[in-house]
Formats: sequence, C-alpha cells, structure tokens
Amino acid sequence: EVQLLESGGGLVQPGGSLRLSCSPSGFIFNNYAMSWVRQAPGKGLEWVSDVSTGGDSTFYAGSVKGRFTISRDNSKNTLYLQMNSLRADDTAVYYCAKSLWEGATKRGLLASWGQGTLVIVSS
Amino acid sequence: ETVMTQSPATLSVSPGERATLSCRASQSVSNNVAWYQQKPGQAPRLLISDASTRATGIPARFSGSGSGTDFTLTISGLQSEDFAVYYCQHYFIWPPTFGGGTKVEIK
Repeated sequence: EVQLLESGGGLVQPGGSLRLSCSPSGFIFNNYAMSWVRQAPGKGLEWVSDVSTGGDSTFYAGSVKGRFTISRDNSKNTLYLQMNSLRADDTAVYYCAKSLWEGATKRGLLASWGQGTLVIVSS
Repeated sequence: ETVMTQSPATLSVSPGERATLSCRASQSVSNNVAWYQQKPGQAPRLLISDASTRATGIPARFSGSGSGTDFTLTISGLQSEDFAVYYCQHYFIWPPTFGGGTKVEIK
C-alpha cells in the first residue's frame, strides 16, 4: 500500500523559513516524480512544485518561485520542500503527492496523496 | 496558465439520483484531465484520469467524459459516501492547474 507521510509543518512568523519532509513507502520512490500541492483553509487546491525522478528537473508555481525549493534524496527515500520568506498567504495544508506513472510520463497526474501538514504563517 | 472553471459551485442532489459536474479549460488540454474527490479533513483521492479512465478501486458509478476544453464527471446513483467536493485538474502543460471545485451536497 502506498503511504506518504508529511512532517515539518507548524507556526512560523512572516519572513521565516520551514522545511517540509515527505516519507514515502509502498512503492519504489526513485521511479516516480513527486509533487507538493497546498490548500489554504476553506479554499481549493493549488499546485506548488514538482520534481523529476532524479531531482534534476523541477517546476514551481509562480506564487512560490524564488522562495521555495523542492528536492529529493533518493538514498534516504525522502522528499523535501524548503520554504523561505514565508508570507501569510502561504498558510495552508501542504500535501505530498506521487505521480501515477513512473518516469516523466504525465508528471502532473497525482495518484496518491499524504494526509498533509499544516503551515501557519502569522505573527 | 490554463484556467480550469468548474460549475456549478454547489450541487444539491438526493441520494440515488445522478450528479453531473462540469469543467471547462481556458484552452485545449486534449484529454489530460483528472478528477479528484475530497471529503472534509481528508486528502484528495484520484477518481478519473485521462478524462475517462477510472482509477483503481473506483466504482463504476463514476464516469468521466470530454476532450479539448469541456469535461464532465457523472456520478450515477449517488450514495451517502459520495457527498464531497470534486476537483478537476489538467496536466497537459506546466503548470497543472485545478478547478475551484464543486461541492456535492445532500438535497
């Protein structure tokens, strides 16, 4: 069974930083592109970032580009999201998600999601 | 970026009836559309990919159709566990974007 466990969320002041982690199990992590998607309280889903299987190709939403960095350590089976210069509108539940297909095929199609970790940016 | 517009925002349906949810893309996305279901306090769950392919374990009462810019999710014979929010999403080009969601509520 595929499982994705996010951690690292919490309360942070505006301008601060947080690093989220995602620990997968139940599949060969190295073979799948991975993504972060967020959901502000009471709002819809917003794609944040995505990384290729090897970590060499990344994409970011315009709202986080230059502030967030996605990475993965395949040797440690872990996905990360480094979030800097946090703003109040970054407050959301952040989900880690796995692509449906192996490799680069349809990277944006998300088959499995974690339960999310809540990030609150407030003074 | 491609904007995905869902309608209606809220759909009131009686159990056992059919629900028809719409999603329109601001430009053609071919058939690269997925539908997700989200219940309160839970993560989204993939229902449909490639506009019409049910994901593993998804009941046959869920069906998707469409291509280009107009897409539909149909839920036939709504059951109590189907009352939730549904999101469409394209993955044709970067960035993949989600619609604003349709809440299916009990009438």
